[in-house]
This record gives sequence, structure tokens and C-alpha cells, in this order.
Amino acid sequence: DGGITQSPKYLFRKEGQNVTLSCEQNLNHDAMYWYRQDPGQGLRLIYYSQIVNDFQKGDIAEGYSVSREKKESFPLTVTSAQKNPTAFYLCASSTRVGNTGELFFGEGSRLTVL
Amino acid sequence: AQSVTQLDSQVPVFEEAPVELRCNYSSSVSVYLFWYVQYPNQGLQLLLKYLSGSTLVKGINGFEAEFNKSQTSFHLRKPSVHISDTAEYFCAVSSSGAGSYQLTFGKGTKLSVIP
Repeated sequence: DGGITQSPKYLFRKEGQNVTLSCEQNLNHDAMYWYRQDPGQGLRLIYYSQIVNDFQKGDIAEGYSVSREKKESFPLTVTSAQKNPTAFYLCASSTRVGNTGELFFGEGSRLTVL
Repeated sequence: AQSVTQLDSQVPVFEEAPVELRCNYSSSVSVYLFWYVQYPNQGLQLLLKYLSGSTLVKGINGFEAEFNKSQTSFHLRKPSVHISDTAEYFCAVSSSGAGSYQLTFGKGTKLSVIP
């Protein structure tokens, strides 16, 4: 079945450590996105990429970094510069052909910084 | 710029009662509209979408929504809710801007179904 796989599902890290969240899709979608979700704040866009080797900052990119070396993969690194990294992180993808904005989501990764 | 307002952050409702989750949007151009559902510790799943045509849209799990252009609304309804409908619901809008469509989400409405 086609879909988006995020790993790990749960992650615990000490303050000051960098963390990389994995996102892989086999939907053949061109565009991929990372969102952060906090209680009562909805979804906030961190980074997005519309093609390989290109990505743009979203609304809350500070303290995060991404890469897009392959169409299928869009990993997110939460760096030690992110002041409040504990959150639920969602990866999504969309097609560019006939794009309506509809997003397809992974199951999410919950990061807890101790 | 586009924005989405979900008027209720929490909606409690008894099992088998009807429910309406309200969503209003603002955009200066024509839009596409979506409702997503999120169960605890899971990703978002598409419930339904309005792209064009009939303003009444039917989705999965017995939900439907009506697009009202004059009131810029896209309210979600279900005539009889079940315990399994307990989840968070997100309204989202996309419109053409800078040549591509980007989704903007509301802050979500938590639906709690009471047995």
C-alpha cells in the first residue's frame, strides 16, 4: 500500500542533543512538508520542499533543518537551537500535477526532550 | 492571505445526537476546502473535500459538509454520532497564491462523544 512512513513513533532525548526524524513516502509525490503540532495551536508549517534538492522555510523554521536528496525522503533535524522542541511532528506530501492543496499525512512522531 | 477560523475549540455531544462543527474562512480568491480528522497520537486523515460542483459534500464515516460562499463557511455535520467519532477535527483551505496551492489549517475542534 502507498503511504507515508514516519519513524520513530516516540523519541526521548536530553536537552542540547540534535534529533533527526525520518519521513519516507512511496506515493510518488513531488512535494513534502513538515508540521509541528502543539495542544490548542493547530498545525504550524516548519519546512516544505516542492522538488528534490530544494526546500523553503515555513512559519516556524528556526531551530530546525531539512534535506531533500531523494524524492521519497524528507528528514527533519531538530537542533539544540530549538528552544522548545517537545511536540508532535507530522510529515505530509502532495502531488504537483492537478494539485489542489490536499495533503497526505504520516502517523506522526512524538518528541519529548527531558 | 487566507485564514481559517474554527469557532469552537471543544464540542461535547451525547451519543446518537447530531453534531455541527463550524468553520469559516477568508480568502480573496476562489478556494478549495477540506476537513481532516485526527485520532489520538495519529496523523490526519481526510474526511471530505470541496473542489467544485455541488455545495453539499459527503465524506467518510457518515459526515457531510456544506460550502456556503456568501457566508464563507464550510460547516461539518453528522446526524447521529458514535463513540468512535471522538477525535479532533481540522478545517483547512487552499487557494492559488504564487502559482501553487498551500493548505492553511484552523486550530481544530475536539469532539467528545458522551455515552
